[in-house]
Amino acid sequence: AAGVIQSPRHLIKEKRETATLKCYPIPRHDTVYWYQQGPGQDPQFLISFYEKMQSDKGSIPDRFSAQQFSDYHSELNMSSLELGDSALYFCASSLGGFLSSYNEQFFGPGTRLTVL
Amino acid sequence: AQKITQTQPGMFVQEKEAVTLDCTYDTSDQSYGLFWYKQPSSGEMIFLIYQGSYDEQNATEGRYSLNFQKARKSANLVISASQLGDSAMYFCAMREESGGGADGLTFGKGTHLIIQP
Repeated sequence: AAGVIQSPRHLIKEKRETATLKCYPIPRHDTVYWYQQGPGQDPQFLISFYEKMQSDKGSIPDRFSAQQFSDYHSELNMSSLELGDSALYFCASSLGGFLSSYNEQFFGPGTRLTVL
Repeated sequence: AQKITQTQPGMFVQEKEAVTLDCTYDTSDQSYGLFWYKQPSSGEMIFLIYQGSYDEQNATEGRYSLNFQKARKSANLVISASQLGDSAMYFCAMREESGGGADGLTFGKGTHLIIQP
């Protein structure tokens, strides 16, 4: 079965650079979530999109932005990178958004971002 | 205040024994969902089991069951007949549904489970 695809899998950037992470949800899934997991930490919810509209917002820094495109893939744009942004970034997808009372979130393999 | 509390940072269990991982939660919502995820050392997040706040029966998925005690606000994960491959980090998570189904999950700090032969 198709899973959530994230690219790149690994990314190394310098401080103050920008980075773009991409997420391709499971086919027919219309909802995408982004999470950040620092070393030894639990995942923290950043932002979600349902049908290309921002749905919920968590602890996403102002330096980060995200969007969902017409094909439902999503991109997380990160600017002015800081050392503390080094983390594993997960994308998850689900079906139904507001319509489903369950909508299990299927996680991608993650993008490991290292900021030097 | 922590919305999800996992009080066991680490656990060592003998292979083939049953394991109970504790999770308590805090919410004022009437409608919410509770999830358990497994994260092996390779890093991926694997969905294990889900319990809805209105579900009257405890959820089960193969060797996994969720001991849901609503009045105590606890949602413990039970793994029967543990295997070496169960060694991983386990996260309890909650989705509060007051804002709609696309809400993000709130995770606990996790329990690092090690199965010993």
